[in-house]
Amino acid sequence: DVKVTQSSRYLVKRTGEKVFLECVQDMDHENMFWYRQDPGLGLRLIYFSYDVKMKEKGDIPEGYSVSREKKERFSLILESASTNQTSMYLCASSYPRAGTDTQYFGPGTRLTVL
Amino acid sequence: AQSVAQPEDQVNVAEGNPLTVKCTYSVSGNPYLFWYVQYPNRGLQFLLKYITGDNLVKGSYGFEAEFNKSQTSFHLKKPSALVSDSALYFCAVRDPDTGRRALTFGSGTRLQVQP
Repeated sequence: DVKVTQSSRYLVKRTGEKVFLECVQDMDHENMFWYRQDPGLGLRLIYFSYDVKMKEKGDIPEGYSVSREKKERFSLILESASTNQTSMYLCASSYPRAGTDTQYFGPGTRLTVL
Repeated sequence: AQSVAQPEDQVNVAEGNPLTVKCTYSVSGNPYLFWYVQYPNRGLQFLLKYITGDNLVKGSYGFEAEFNKSQTSFHLKKPSALVSDSALYFCAVRDPDTGRRALTFGSGTRLQVQP
């Protein structure tokens, strides 16, 4: 079974703090994703990585950056956290072969910025 | 551009009755379509997908979905609902012809199954 883990289930930070969210997958997947989930808005893509050190902006990248130094690990960084970044953050991974676009998700990190 | 719409915020159904959760999509080419389920305080779990072939796709936990190209729909169905099916359901689409590698998700539909 594919396993995607996220470093924290719940996180509380203060405005202006630098925040790191870590995601690790154990299935050697090339693709990794960061989404945020907000009620009524579904999942929105923040950043996507298709290989080590490779990244693409998603639909809402402002205020976020990412790092992928190893294939299994994809980090989301909030350089200076703000209250509007309070949300559920979901990491996912997938194997980019035709017909196998299935994304596998981690349990999520619920971030509160005070 | 690719997009997906889930027109119902919530669907209520009695246990044992059939259920339908609606999804419509918009892509320029032939879509890859997915359904995911989210239980409280959990990540998303994959239910089923349509890539090509038979329009009726069967997935986990007795769920199925029918791809209808003329109506651009991919509704999720189950013949007999269980209380344990109560959860948040997301439809997602990818248009492989656009080069976009990520899925676009709908806003989600909360399914409530009453005993």
